[in-house]
Amino acid sequence: QSVLTQPPSVSAAPGQKVTISCSGSSFNIGNDYVSWFQQVPGTAPRLLIYRNNKRPSGIPDRFSASKSGTSATLGITGLQTGDEADYYCGTWDISLSVVVFGGGTRLTVL
Amino acid sequence: QVQVVESGGGEVQPGGSLRLSCAASGFPFSDYGMHWVRQAPGKGLEWIGVVWHDDHRKAYADSVKGRFTISRDNSKNMMYLQLDSLRAEDTAVYYCTRGGFGPESYYIGDYWGQGTLVTVYS
Repeated sequence: QSVLTQPPSVSAAPGQKVTISCSGSSFNIGNDYVSWFQQVPGTAPRLLIYRNNKRPSGIPDRFSASKSGTSATLGITGLQTGDEADYYCGTWDISLSVVVFGGGTRLTVL
Repeated sequence: QVQVVESGGGEVQPGGSLRLSCAASGFPFSDYGMHWVRQAPGKGLEWIGVVWHDDHRKAYADSVKGRFTISRDNSKNMMYLQLDSLRAEDTAVYYCTRGGFGPESYYIGDYWGQGTLVTVYS
């Protein structure tokens, strides 16, 4: 049971848009920055978004994110087959004094 | 360029010990926190722990507290994870990842290694 809640899976057609939600509490998402990670099966995770909505260099602007209260959302536009991966949200929980992750969302590009 | 490389994984029996290493390069190591994250086969990411940039503070997940110990050697740009009293459920790929700058050491994950596999078998 993860502290942050994500849908297990989402799917959309190539070229379409998809959003992935991440729900937490006032002790984690509501208190600190959220990061998003992409993990293509068999590879290491990669940082997609930091500080709620900032993209590291090299991450295309098809990837965006936002935060409101105790929830965060990752959006991906212009879906490509290469976007098929697991996506995780993560942040610091000030009550538990630990990093918490969502359970991950498997994106399928149909 | 920034790199973190894990090593030291392997097979060990329940109750055994293992020491993982993380070699960092391409950035001022002593300015950044460092984390360990693991992923059991077919499962999601599980945070293990963090060591602050100056080695003055550490934090651990409840699942490993008292069994795993994180340390770092800023003179060698190295971080370590000592795994003791290993259990079958500790079987996972263990990733090293850079944390935040200075007091924000607890921020996680802008650079990740490729991981090292630990298998606990009986």
